Amino acid sequence: KAGVTQTPRYLIKTRGQQVTLSCSPISGHRSVSWYQQTPGQGLQFLFEYFSETQRNKGNFPGRFSGRQFSNSRSEMNVSTLELGDSALYLCASSIRGANTGELFFGEGSRLTVL
Amino acid sequence: GQQLNQSPQSMFIQEGEDVSMNCTSSSIFNTWLWYKQEPGEGPVLLIALYKAGELTSNGRLTAQFGITRKDSFLNISASIPSDVGIYFCAGQAFQGAQKLVFGQGTRLTINP
Repeated sequence: KAGVTQTPRYLIKTRGQQVTLSCSPISGHRSVSWYQQTPGQGLQFLFEYFSETQRNKGNFPGRFSGRQFSNSRSEMNVSTLELGDSALYLCASSIRGANTGELFFGEGSRLTVL
Repeated sequence: GQQLNQSPQSMFIQEGEDVSMNCTSSSIFNTWLWYKQEPGEGPVLLIALYKAGELTSNGRLTAQFGITRKDSFLNISASIPSDVGIYFCAGQAFQGAQKLVFGQGTRLTINP
């Protein structure tokens, strides 16, 4: 069973640019969550999508957005990049319902903002 | 917002030793989970706990969900080199909501 796939794995952007990250969940998983991981703040929840609807949102500015497609694949977008957006962005999929919280993470997309 | 206090931040042990780490919160969580992250990879779920007082094992790993719902611990017995990594606790306030709050992690280093 293929795991969670995130693309690209590494990318470098400059301040003011925007970036789109992609996530393909495990087959059959309809919930996709995104987390930002930095050395200073650790792992922080960005948002969760289920059946193409955002179900939960973390405390991030509106520059951070996402969407989910009918095949459960998800994208997140960060506009007007700032230096502080440099981080590992992790996508996780799960079967929403009983015994939730059991997330399967991808390897992440490491974003560097210069 | 909700925060988890995880300790210790790092541990340097000898192979074969037992390890203990814990997490505390000022808020109640309905689910506690423990994840492990290795370099270049995403976190991997080790143990999930769903009931206060629950004690669960996964091989050499044992974790407990505190009775107050505000804490959890993870023990690793007879550590081996492949146990090296960063261990994270995570709390979920509402079952059915996929939002997890993570601790800052415990970095485990093992001297062979």
